[in-house]
Amino acid sequence: QQQVKQSPQSLIVQKGGISIINCAYENTAFDYFPWYQQFPGKGPALLIAIRPDVSEKKEGRFTISFNKSAKQFSLHIMDSQPGDSATYFCAASPYRDKIIFGKGTRLHILP
Amino acid sequence: DAGVIQSPRHEVTEMGQEVTLRCKPISGHDYLFWYRQTMMRGLELLIYFNNNVPIDDSGMPEDRFSAKMPNASFSTLKIQPSEPRDSAVYFCASSTPLSGGSTDTQYFGPGTRLTVL
Repeated sequence: QQQVKQSPQSLIVQKGGISIINCAYENTAFDYFPWYQQFPGKGPALLIAIRPDVSEKKEGRFTISFNKSAKQFSLHIMDSQPGDSATYFCAASPYRDKIIFGKGTRLHILP
Repeated sequence: DAGVIQSPRHEVTEMGQEVTLRCKPISGHDYLFWYRQTMMRGLELLIYFNNNVPIDDSGMPEDRFSAKMPNASFSTLKIQPSEPRDSAVYFCASSTPLSGGSTDTQYFGPGTRLTVL
C-alpha cells in the first residue's frame, strides 16, 4: 500500500512530441505528489508537484494531471526537447512523512 | 547557499572494509534523508532524521548499515563490513516542511558513487 507504481520504465520520444509518464498509488493518505527530474551524475531535483485538491497543474511545458478517484497521476511534457532527456521519478507523501518514490522512467528525446 | 554537500564523491573499496559516507544538509533544514540508488531497485529510502533524531530506519538493509546525525549540520552513513552488493550511488537529501504542509521539497546532494570490489 506504500508503493507508487510508475510506467513505462523507459521512453523514447521524437523532438517536439509529447512525453507521458504514468503513476498509480494505493494509499489514500497520500496528499502530496511531486515529480523529480534527474540528469546523469546528478541528484534528483524537484520538477513540479501537485496536491489532491486540484486535477491539473501546469508549469511551462510540464503538466501534472491528477485523478483522485482512480488514484493515478501523470506527467506530460509538451514539445519535448533533447534537454529533457533524463530520468523522471513520480512520488507521493502523506502529511509530514517520508516521500515514496516510483522506480523511475528513463526518457530519451531524439533530436 | 552551497546546497547539500556529500563526500566523498567516489569511493572504491575492497570487500570487508569499513566505508563512511558524509553529508552536510542545507542550513536550517530539519529533515535529513539517506537514499540508495541502483539500476535494479531504483531510489530506496534507507533512513531519515528529524531534528537529528532517527525517525524511520526501516529501509536500512541490514545491521552492517548504520547512520548518525550528531548535530544539525552533519550526518554519516557507515557500512561495516562492506560487500560487493552494496555498490550503488548513495544520496543525502534535506528538507524543511512548509507550515501546515507535507514533507515538501527534498534537496538532494550530488551523491557518492560507492564501488565495493
